Amino acid sequence: EVLLVESGGTSVQPGGSLRLSCAASGFTFTTYWMHWVRQAPGKGLVWLSHIQSDGTSSTYADSVKGRFTTSADSARNTLFLQMNSLRAEDSAVYYCARSHRYYGSPFDFWGQGTLVTVSS
Amino acid sequence: QTVVTQEPSFSVSPGGTITLTCGLSSGSVSTNYYPSWYRQTPGQAPRTLIYSTNTRSSGVPDRFSGSILGNKAALTITGAQADDESDYYCVLYLGNGIWVFGGGTKLTVL
Repeated sequence: EVLLVESGGTSVQPGGSLRLSCAASGFTFTTYWMHWVRQAPGKGLVWLSHIQSDGTSSTYADSVKGRFTTSADSARNTLFLQMNSLRAEDSAVYYCARSHRYYGSPFDFWGQGTLVTVSS
Repeated sequence: QTVVTQEPSFSVSPGGTITLTCGLSSGSVSTNYYPSWYRQTPGQAPRTLIYSTNTRSSGVPDRFSGSILGNKAALTITGAQADDESDYYCVLYLGNGIWVFGGGTKLTVL
């Protein structure tokens, strides 16, 4: 069974940093791409980042480029999102999602999300 | 900055047919954008309905279909049911490893 479990969400002050994790199981981690998607309270989904799970390449939405970094530890089957210089507008539920290794693939499995609140 | 557009809300009668659309702030959506569609109910993670324009995800009933209509991607739901009431999101692949979600459509069945 494919499982994606996010963790690390908490309350943090503006300007602070946080690292989210997404533990993957039930599939061969390095043969898929992984993504981060967030959803602010009452708002829509926003794609943030993608990584080829062997760690060779990552991409980012303009809204987080330069502040957020996605990485993957294939030995631990875990995806990470390092978030720096956090702002109030980064408050959201953060989901990790899996896709196959082609651009037309859907995000076929999602975690249940972890909540990040940025507030003083 | 490219914006993906969706109707903010839509309503349909039980048994009716509805088409939700997914467009671009500048330009036309084609199959090259690999449009996909997701539904999300409150408190739940999104689930895939359609990908690569018109491929139904496993287990999705054939009441749901995807297409390109004019310059937009489209999700058509036929024989609407009460439990189709949900938020629907499209996502487009813009190239260079960048995806963008639309703002979502809140569908009401009444």
